[in-house]
Amino acid sequence: QSVLTQPPSVSAAPGQRVTISCSGSTSNIGNHFVSWYQQLPGTAPKLLIYENNKRPSGIPDRFSGSKSGTSATLGITGLQTGDEADYYCGTWDSSLSVVVFGGGTKLTVL
Amino acid sequence: QVQLQQWGAGLLRPSETLSLTCAVSGASFSGYYWNWIRQPPGKGLEWIGAVNPTGGTNYNPSLKSRVTISIDTSNNQFSLKLTSMTAADTAVYFCARGKVVQGVLYFDPWGQGTLVTVSS
Repeated sequence: QSVLTQPPSVSAAPGQRVTISCSGSTSNIGNHFVSWYQQLPGTAPKLLIYENNKRPSGIPDRFSGSKSGTSATLGITGLQTGDEADYYCGTWDSSLSVVVFGGGTKLTVL
Repeated sequence: QVQLQQWGAGLLRPSETLSLTCAVSGASFSGYYWNWIRQPPGKGLEWIGAVNPTGGTNYNPSLKSRVTISIDTSNNQFSLKLTSMTAADTAVYFCARGKVVQGVLYFDPWGQGTLVTVSS
């Protein structure tokens, strides 16, 4: 059971927009920055978003992040078949003194 | 660009010690934390711990009694040792560079991953 809660799966058609939620508490998301990672099948995770809403160099602006209270959201617009992957949120939990991740969300582009 | 290349034994017997090494190229160790993260087959990510350039460490409390992460800046490498391995430790193990911002780590880039299987 993950400390951060994500939906197991989401799906949308090519060209559409999808959002992935990440729910936590005041000991983690509520008081700390959130990052998001994309894991394509059979590969290592890749950083998509850091500090809630910043994109590393090379990440297209189709990917966006936001945070409100104890929840964070990853948004992806203009969906492409190449976006099919598992997406994870992560942050620090100050009660547990550990980095915590969500359980992951599998995105299917129909 | 920064690259992390990792290696180590992929098959262990129960009670043996896991030993993995991650070589860093294209980056200085300074200003970053160097991490190990694992992913059991079909499951999510679990942070194991981190080491800073001066050798200071921070471990996941659930693994702390079995984990040692060390750094060798002269050879641009850092390593993981996990003792008393069991089947529950079967996972893909990743190394990753970590940046701390206001006490929060984020990870970029990651190594390619090493599948470690524990079986008798």
